Amino acid sequence: AQSVTQLGSHVSVSEGALVLLRCNYSSSVPPYLFWYVQYPNQGLQLLLKYTSAATLVKGINGFEAEFKKSETSFHLTKPSAHMSDAAEYFCAVSDRPGRRALTFGSGTRLQVQP
Amino acid sequence: NAGVTQTPKFRVLKTGQSMTLLCAQDMNHEYMYWYRQDPGMGLRLIHYSVGEGTTAKGEVPDGYNVSRLKKQNFLLGLESAAPSQTSVYFCASSSGTSGGQETQYFGPGTRLLVL
Repeated sequence: AQSVTQLGSHVSVSEGALVLLRCNYSSSVPPYLFWYVQYPNQGLQLLLKYTSAATLVKGINGFEAEFKKSETSFHLTKPSAHMSDAAEYFCAVSDRPGRRALTFGSGTRLQVQP
Repeated sequence: NAGVTQTPKFRVLKTGQSMTLLCAQDMNHEYMYWYRQDPGMGLRLIHYSVGEGTTAKGEVPDGYNVSRLKKQNFLLGLESAAPSQTSVYFCASSSGTSGGQETQYFGPGTRLLVL
């Protein structure tokens, strides 16, 4: 069975600083991995996804993530944080084949200080 | 396109009452899902559907039932609400055509409080 671990339930950075949100996964098959963002009182929006094409994946709003099989990691980064990046971020792994549901990590709340 | 919509947005129930949450999508997606979100636990799968007329259990199905009579709609029912079902409920849909790498699109959520 797949599982996802997100280290750090809360991360605080200064505006303009590097953002690093950690995600480690466990999967018995090569995974499909996703990062979703949830702004306050909203649904989840896809940031980026890894589908085995390229290990460095670029997403929306300047975010990117690197798939490292040897470390079973898929950490999310952004070189320079903006106030509008304050949100909760979820890493997820997809079942396949079959139901194709997502197994989510517990989430990391990103706070950006002025 | 409206994407995925959910009704109602917020509801307060008393223990033992019943209700139905409605999810609708206008993207002609085959797959639909109901998740619940609780603090510190991420989202957990309640039930899902891989096509019209089919439903199946997820990780936390107890106390919930679902129906998918029309392709665009996925209903989640609580027959006898309990305080443990206080949560935020999200519906999602996906095309089901890319072997698990397709994007899931989420609705705005329904906040349910059971007293």
